Amino acid sequence: DTAVSQTPKYLVTQMGNDKSIKCEQNLGHDTMYWYKQDSKKFLKIMFSYNNKELIINETVPNRFSPKSPDKAHLNLHINSLELGDSAVYFCASSQVKGPTDTQYFGPGTRLTVL
Amino acid sequence: AQSVAQPEDQVNVAEGNPLTVKCTYSVSGNPYLFWYVQYPNRGLQFLLKYITGDNLVKGSYGFEAEFNKSQTSFHLKKPSALVSDSALYFCAVRDSNSGYALNFGKGTSLLVTP
Repeated sequence: DTAVSQTPKYLVTQMGNDKSIKCEQNLGHDTMYWYKQDSKKFLKIMFSYNNKELIINETVPNRFSPKSPDKAHLNLHINSLELGDSAVYFCASSQVKGPTDTQYFGPGTRLTVL
Repeated sequence: AQSVAQPEDQVNVAEGNPLTVKCTYSVSGNPYLFWYVQYPNRGLQFLLKYITGDNLVKGSYGFEAEFNKSQTSFHLKKPSALVSDSALYFCAVRDSNSGYALNFGKGTSLLVTP
C-alpha cells in the first residue's frame, strides 16, 4: 500500500480555472504538509497542518487553500490559476508536529497552467 | 531562520568510487538535519537524519552522513557509488517557525558514470 498518495499525478488546465489536488496518507500521522517544487527544483513549504493548527507560508497567495476533511487527508485547492502556478506539488506527512519526526512524501502532482 | 546550503549543483563520480555530497547548516538551537533523494519524475525518498548522538549516521541504500558541529556540516557519503545512485539529493533542516516543515537546500545532482 502506498503510504502517501496524491491525485491526480498530472494536471493540465487553463489560466483562470479552479482546481484541486488530493492527498491521502495511511500512516496514521497527525501532521501533513504541502510543498511546491518549481522548475529549478527548489522545494518550498506552502502549508503545514494538523488537527489543531494551520501554518501558512506568508509567501503563498491566498488563492491557495488547504482543506482537511479528516486526519488522513489534506487537499489543496487553487483558485484563479496563473501561469506561475505551474510546478510540482508534493504532499507529505509526519507522525507528530515536531522537529525530529521523519516526513514521508507523496509522488507529486505536476500542474501545468496554459 | 533555520537553513541549509548545498554548495555544489552537480557532483560527478565514477562507479565504484566513494562519493560525497556537501551540506552546511545555519541554525539556532539544536540542528535536526535530513537527507532526501529524488529520482527523475518521482517523489522524495528519506535517506537518513541526524537528531543527536553519534556523529556518523547510517541510512538507506548504503548511504551515511557525517555531522560536524565545528564546521556546521552534514555531508552525505557512500563508500562505493552505483550508477543507480544517480539522482537529485536534498539536504534539509526542520524549521520551528513553519510548523516544523523542512527547509531544503537547492539540491545537488549526482551523476555516477560506469
